[in-house]
Amino acid sequence: QKEVEQNSGPLSVPEGAIASLNCTYSDRGSQSFFWYRQYSGKSPELIMFIYSNGDKEDGRFTAQLNKASQYVSLLIRDSQPSDSATYLCAVESTGRRALTFGSGTRLQVQP
Amino acid sequence: DGGITQSPKYLFRKEGQNVTLSCEQNLNHDAMYWYRQDPGQGLRLIYYSQIVNDFQKGDIAEGYSVSREKKESFPLTVTSAQKNPTAFYLCASSASPADTGELFFGEGSRLTVL
Repeated sequence: QKEVEQNSGPLSVPEGAIASLNCTYSDRGSQSFFWYRQYSGKSPELIMFIYSNGDKEDGRFTAQLNKASQYVSLLIRDSQPSDSATYLCAVESTGRRALTFGSGTRLQVQP
Repeated sequence: DGGITQSPKYLFRKEGQNVTLSCEQNLNHDAMYWYRQDPGQGLRLIYYSQIVNDFQKGDIAEGYSVSREKKESFPLTVTSAQKNPTAFYLCASSASPADTGELFFGEGSRLTVL
């Protein structure tokens, strides 16, 4: 089974700091990568996607992709307490039109 | 308002009973998905459907069944063959099979087996 791995955390950062969330995947043929945010008891919501090697920035969020290392990361700058949530990495695996999710990293931003 | 409606929100079931979770969308999306989430874990794919009258098994399809008779509806039946059905079930849709990554989720159904 194709896998997506994340450190479960919790990752604790002070308010205003940079939070760095990491994800590795096993399917070398994967082309599309996504980050979802899930607040406790709620449904996930898409916050970033990336298809090409390198960085992609959107506001305080930056997604980074390195296909050679099979590694995806999400940086959150100027972290706020409202960023406290679980962040799910998801990969579109080859051979099927559906996402495979990692187990998520719980982020805690301390005021 | 457009969106995905899942019902019931909470469901209790006795062992040996089948239950059906409803998922309806009015987004005119082609593709629909069912995921299961256990505490502290990510989402695991149960079934997905890219078009009416067609669906595919995901990673954990055993003990579950689905149908896709209408574009807007994708109900999930949890059968008695599912050994550990207590979980949070999420239904999602995407505009087309090519838009797999942009999923819109319902609010989920929490199933507890007594």
